[in-house]
Amino acid sequence: QQQVKQSPQSLIVQKGGISIINCAYENTAFDYFPWYQQFPGKGPALLIAIRPDVSEKKEGRFTISFNKSAKQFSLHIMDSQPGDSATYFCAASIGGYSTLTFGKGTMLLVSP
Amino acid sequence: ETGVTQSPTHLIKTRGQQVTLRCSSQSGHNTVSWYQQALGQGPQFIFQYYREEENGRGNFPPRFSGLQFPNYSSELNVNALELDDSALYLCASSLVMEEQFFGPGTRLTVL
Repeated sequence: QQQVKQSPQSLIVQKGGISIINCAYENTAFDYFPWYQQFPGKGPALLIAIRPDVSEKKEGRFTISFNKSAKQFSLHIMDSQPGDSATYFCAASIGGYSTLTFGKGTMLLVSP
Repeated sequence: ETGVTQSPTHLIKTRGQQVTLRCSSQSGHNTVSWYQQALGQGPQFIFQYYREEENGRGNFPPRFSGLQFPNYSSELNVNALELDDSALYLCASSLVMEEQFFGPGTRLTVL
C-alpha cells in the first residue's frame, strides 16, 4: 500500500516557468511533510518542509501548499532554472523520532 | 561540522554473498536511519538506530541487520544477497528526527 502518491512522474518546464509537483497521502496521522531534491549520484537534500497547522510555506522560489482536508500537498518552484533540474521527492512522517515515507519521485527538467 | 559520509561509494557482489556498508553521521547527531532506493523509486525505510538501539524497522527481512556505535556511526549488513538487493543504500542522520540529512549513498550491484 503506497501511503504517499506523487505526480507527475516527470515534468518538463521552460526556464522562468512554474514547476508544480503534487502529492497525496492516506495516513491522517502524518504531521510533517518535507520535500527533498536529489541530483544524480547524490543523496536527497531537504528543500523545504511544512506541518499541517499552516496552509502555505514559502522559502525563496520554493513554496509548499498544504490542503489538510484533501490530504494533499504540493511543491511550486517559481522562476524555474536549469539548475533546478533534478528529481524531487515528497515525504511524510509522524511525530518526532519517526521515519520518512517517500513518494516515488518526479524527474524535473528545466529547458534553457 | 562535517556532513554525513558513506563508504564505499560503489560495490559489486554476487548472489549469496554478504555485504557491510558504513555511515558516519553528521557531527552531533545521535540517530541514524537507513533507506534502500531502487532505481527510479523513492527511498524505502529499512531501520533506524537511536543511541545504539534499533528504534524502528521497515518491511525488510532479518537478513538486513545493523549496528550503531558509541560515536553514532553505523553499519548496514546484508546477508545472502539477492539480485533485488541491487540499489542505492542511503544513510540519514538527525538530532531532531524530522530533519534528516542524507549521505551520498552506496551503490550496490548484485550479480
